[in-house]
Amino acid sequence: KAGVTQTPRYLIKTRGQQVTLSCSPISGHRSVSWYQQTPGQGLQFLFEYFSETQRNKGNFPGRFSGRQFSNSRSEMNVSTLELGDSALYLCASSLDSHSYEQYFGPGTRLTVT
Amino acid sequence: AQTVTQSQPEMSVQEAETVTLSCTYDTSESNYYLFWYKQPPSRQMILVIRQEAYKQQNATENRFSVNFQKAAKSFSLKISDSQLGDTAMYFCAFMVNQAGTALIFGKGTTLSVSS
Repeated sequence: KAGVTQTPRYLIKTRGQQVTLSCSPISGHRSVSWYQQTPGQGLQFLFEYFSETQRNKGNFPGRFSGRQFSNSRSEMNVSTLELGDSALYLCASSLDSHSYEQYFGPGTRLTVT
Repeated sequence: AQTVTQSQPEMSVQEAETVTLSCTYDTSESNYYLFWYKQPPSRQMILVIRQEAYKQQNATENRFSVNFQKAAKSFSLKISDSQLGDTAMYFCAFMVNQAGTALIFGKGTTLSVSS
């Protein structure tokens, strides 16, 4: 079974631009969560999607948004990029919204210049 | 709000030795899960071991075991017979049961295993 895939793997953007990251969960998994990893703040939960609905949201500004499609693939969008948004963005999939076992993707490394 | 604290930013150990990574957490919830995740350099995060809060017995997975002290809100990871492949960042994480899949992570401990 293929693992969680994230595209693109690396991205360089300029301040003020917007960016869209994609995550394809493991086949059959319906829940997708997103995390931001930075050296200073560590790993922080962004949001979780299940059956195309945002079920849970972390403490991030409204510039961070996401969505999930009917095939469970998820995208996250960051608008008006700031230098502090430079991070590794990790996506994790699980069978459903009550499953404790999550499988992480390789991440997308976003650099904002 | 739940918090997870890992007090050891870095640790070093020789191959075949045993090492213990510390983790404490704070929560008012009674039904939750605790995890240790491993993130090797430039590689994907993988689950090492998990513990359900309602279980008194400490979880064990091969060379990895935990010491779960619920009253003290402590959840340490013991790695026996350390191997070079154990070199990684280790994260302690917490999840409230039945409240979605949001994980709350500690800041991590970088473990270096040398020969």
